[in-house]
Parts: sequence; C-alpha cells; structure tokens
Amino acid sequence: QKEVEQDPGPLSVPEGAIVSLNCTYSNSAFQYFMWYRQYSRKGPELLMYTYSSGNKEDGRFTAQVDKSSKYISLFIRDSQPSDSATYLCAMKKGAQKLVFGQGTRLTINP
Amino acid sequence: GAVVSQHPSRVICKSGTSVKIECRSLDFQATTMFWYRQFPKQSLMLMATSNEGSKATYEQGVEKDKFLINHASLTLSTLTVTSAHPEDSSFYICSAIRDTNTGELFFGEGSRLTVL
Repeated sequence: QKEVEQDPGPLSVPEGAIVSLNCTYSNSAFQYFMWYRQYSRKGPELLMYTYSSGNKEDGRFTAQVDKSSKYISLFIRDSQPSDSATYLCAMKKGAQKLVFGQGTRLTINP
Repeated sequence: GAVVSQHPSRVICKSGTSVKIECRSLDFQATTMFWYRQFPKQSLMLMATSNEGSKATYEQGVEKDKFLINHASLTLSTLTVTSAHPEDSSFYICSAIRDTNTGELFFGEGSRLTVL
C-alpha cells in the first residue's frame, strides 16, 4: 500500500464548476499537507500549505485536512480553463522528506 | 515570482557526455535542496537530498557516481549527469525549503534532458 493515494484521473469538468481533488494517506504521523499545481513541462507550484487539521482558503482555492479520516481535499471554485493542470498532494512529518501523491490530471473545458 | 531558479530548462546531449544542471534559491539561503526526477505522467521521484557543505544523501537505487550532486554554497546546488545514456532522458526538478519552520517546499522550473 502506498503511503499517499491519489486518483490520477484524468478529471474533466466544464468551466465554472466546483472541482474536488482528494488524497488519502496511511501514516497518521503526517503533520504538514501541501497541494501543488504542475503545468505541462513545468516544475510544481505551491498552491496551499496546511499544518494539521482544518480548512484554509485562498481565493478560489480551499484546502481541507481531516486527520481523523486521513483524508485531504482541495476545492476549486469557479474553475477556469487556466486551472487545467496536474494537481499533486504532498505531506510530511517534521523534517522528514515530502511524500507525494501520484497527481490528478485536471482539464477545465470552456 | 519564482523563488527557485533552475538552468538550463532544456538540454540535448550525445550519449556518453556529461550534463550539469544548476539550481539556485533566489531570495533566501537553502542549506538543503532536493533533486527529483519525473517521468511522463508520473509523480516526482526523490533522487537525493543535497546538503550545503557536505555529501548528498541518495535515495535507494540512485547511483551516486552517475548523478553527482554538489552544494557548494547556500544558494546553489548542481546535479551532473555523468556519461549520460538515453535512459537518463527525463525531467529533472530541484526544490528548496525557504522557511525551515514551516517546511514549505518550492520547486524550480525543471530541466528536460534528452540524451541522443
């Protein structure tokens, strides 16, 4: 079993829809949770960073962490074609190395 | 704006030659940088952890003599692919932690290596 599971998709939704991206994990010691967006042939870009459980909102993006269920989510409101990318979840404990999900390929159709 | 710069973004080389990729932290000092490799439609695979002033720590299965890492200053780490072969063709990405308290990791733009 992988430490972090993420559905690779692809996921295709119409413009304006609410997008929900999710990851589950098995290591209850993970404390730091991140979401990265990666455009084709580019390096990942940090979107959201959360410590422990709770919600965090930044513009159209909301990150949720439910440590009791070992489940994290990223919501994108009013999705735009420019949001089309691969979204990677990542998490770690303390100073340990980051563990990535496989990434979900998202396409927003105009 | 970018906080980690990577160069070159693309490189094509002949089999048997060596290629150097640079990773710079732009507005902060990074005692630790990371090098990843990414195959098409795959996630990031950590190759090694680069530590300023000391030897890099390589992940299992990564040949340290093949992928030479040097972290000579607090803002620069280099990855040299030695005696490159076509199977080394890949997307190489570096990253650095800007704030050790939060552990937020920032990535470079990546370098696409093609070995002919």
